[in-house]
Amino acid sequence: KAGVTQTPRYLIKTRGQQVTLSCSPISGHRSVSWYQQTPGQGLQFLFEYFSETQRNKGNFPGRFSGRQFSNSRSEMNVSTLELGDSALYLCASSFHLGYGYTFGSGTRLTVV
Amino acid sequence: QKEVEQDPGPLSVPEGAIVSLNCTYSNSAFQYFMWYRQYSRKGPELLMYTYSSGNKEDGRFTAQVDKSSKYISLFIRDSQPSDSATYLCAMYMEYGNKLVFGAGTILRVKS
Repeated sequence: KAGVTQTPRYLIKTRGQQVTLSCSPISGHRSVSWYQQTPGQGLQFLFEYFSETQRNKGNFPGRFSGRQFSNSRSEMNVSTLELGDSALYLCASSFHLGYGYTFGSGTRLTVV
Repeated sequence: QKEVEQDPGPLSVPEGAIVSLNCTYSNSAFQYFMWYRQYSRKGPELLMYTYSSGNKEDGRFTAQVDKSSKYISLFIRDSQPSDSATYLCAMYMEYGNKLVFGAGTILRVKS
């Protein structure tokens, strides 16, 4: 059974650019969540999608957005990148809304 | 005050020791309690998942929940160097569909 797949694994961008990260959930999982992980702040919730609808959103600026497609695959987009956006971005999927997540290995974003 | 408090460590123990990892929480509305393990350069991996107060055992791991004290624990018996990782507690409440993670405790098991 394939796990949660995130692409790309590593990314280097310059300030002001935008970036799109991709997540393919486990087959059958309809809930996809995104998290930002940094050494100082830990795991911070970005947003959750269930059946193509955003069900929950964390306290991040509007530069962070996401969407979910009909096949449950999800993308998140960060526009006008700032140095502070450098982090590990993790995607997690679940059959249920809200708990029992399986995480991907993440995308390591570095903003220079 | 954070909703979920977890000592970041690091916690260093000799191989074979019993490890106790703990989290406290302030919101009694949390219903589901989870422990994740995260190795370096990997995403968190779900270890244990429980709903009710009491103990749940899975191999060398035991998860304990005390809702009256708002306290959860993860015990690791016969710890191995391969258990060296960051352990994150997580809690979920259906009201507001809210999932909150602790900061994570770094565990180092020395051989």
